[in-house]
Amino acid sequence: EPEVTQTPSHQVTQMGQEVILHCVPISNHLYFYWYRQILGQKVEFLVSFYNNEISEKSEIFDDQFSVERPDGSNFTLKIRSTKLEDSAMYFCASSGNLPGTGELFFGEGSRLTVL
Amino acid sequence: QQPVQSPQAVILREGEDAVINCSSSKALYSVHWYRQKHGEAPVFLMILLKGGEQKGHEKISASFNEKKQQSSLYLTASQLSYSGTYFCGTDFRGNTPLVFGKGTRLSVIA
Repeated sequence: EPEVTQTPSHQVTQMGQEVILHCVPISNHLYFYWYRQILGQKVEFLVSFYNNEISEKSEIFDDQFSVERPDGSNFTLKIRSTKLEDSAMYFCASSGNLPGTGELFFGEGSRLTVL
Repeated sequence: QQPVQSPQAVILREGEDAVINCSSSKALYSVHWYRQKHGEAPVFLMILLKGGEQKGHEKISASFNEKKQQSSLYLTASQLSYSGTYFCGTDFRGNTPLVFGKGTRLSVIA
């Protein structure tokens, strides 16, 4: 069964360092997302990506965040200068349907710990 | 705008039933339900589109009341495997990314 894969599963970094989280969405999907979940809390939308550009982003997704689909298969989330409050589980998701109309397939997540 | 879920947490014995509610202050196009087990990714349960439909998935079903702008998830004859946090996700226009509620933690005990 096709699945969304994310790497690394856990990353520890120092405050102010850059972090790149990697995702390989399901191959025939067209819509890609990053969500994050601070421990024990809700799943928060960060950004959606379609046709090689950002389609929507939340208030959380400020200038320190960026996304890229560098090679047609990978989908990356970059945090330029990490802050303590960026510590969270970051989930990548993909879908073959228009946003809000079909199932989101989530990866297993990348846990980011900022010290 | 974030949907509001209730209750925040519920403890059930195996075989008991539960209802989880999800309400919105804005008109909804669709409501999505996901379950997340501890340390895992959210897993899709079902989607309900506006029109007041009801859907079923094993012993888990859901309804969507468009007028009341709310959805309810029904878990009947609960099993230990039902334990987890249930999130509703809402979409307002038919083409917007899901906004999830804070979740309802369900614990089923033997």
